[in-house]
Amino acid sequence: DSGVTQTPKHLITATGQRVTLRCSPRSGDLSVYWYQQSLDQGLQFLIQYYNGEERAKGNILERFSAQQFPDLHSELNLSSLELGDSALYFCASSAGGLLHFGNGTRLTVT
Amino acid sequence: AQKITQTQPGMFVQEKEAVTLDCTYDTSDPSYGLFWYKQPSSGEMIFLIYQGSYDQQNATEGRYSLNFQKARKSANLVISASQLGDSAMYFCAMREGGGGGSNYKLTFGKGTLLTVNP
Repeated sequence: DSGVTQTPKHLITATGQRVTLRCSPRSGDLSVYWYQQSLDQGLQFLIQYYNGEERAKGNILERFSAQQFPDLHSELNLSSLELGDSALYFCASSAGGLLHFGNGTRLTVT
Repeated sequence: AQKITQTQPGMFVQEKEAVTLDCTYDTSDPSYGLFWYKQPSSGEMIFLIYQGSYDQQNATEGRYSLNFQKARKSANLVISASQLGDSAMYFCAMREGGGGGSNYKLTFGKGTLLTVNP
């Protein structure tokens, strides 16, 4: 158990809808990273937050947004969903150089 | 250009034999870190081993070792005495920069699917 909690485990929704993925980092970790894993793109870095502030941005679509709250949990919001957004979304946290991954949220867009 | 290249989409190995999974990387930063993660069919990402660019010795963690050849920019994972439970996808990843402060973002390769046969 990595100590990183992601909810929900599975999410099935329709095109055009909006969903929110939630991540609780390991106790004491200030950084949260979001990754998207799809068959064609592999593991892609989306965005990083550190102690509530956006720190780095990767291949995140404009339809996607994230935030980190004062209690350090983070949410990834995906809107106007398309079939191609179906993927496994990982959250990871770090405190000392090693990323600890949650078990992911599998999003299926139908 | 790809920063992390894993040229073996799939590998097969007999139980109890050793196997090497290849990884080459590309960076101009003198300070970087290399990681291997395992992803079983259940989906979670499990950290296996880490090698820093300034580390003099190859990293080892139990049955896992990292064959680090800096001049060739390769960081191959060696699994000794393979077990059926080693069947999984394996990802090589790189962190560029010393990671000081808060930046530990990783770039991943496409992965190698390892199948261990009984």
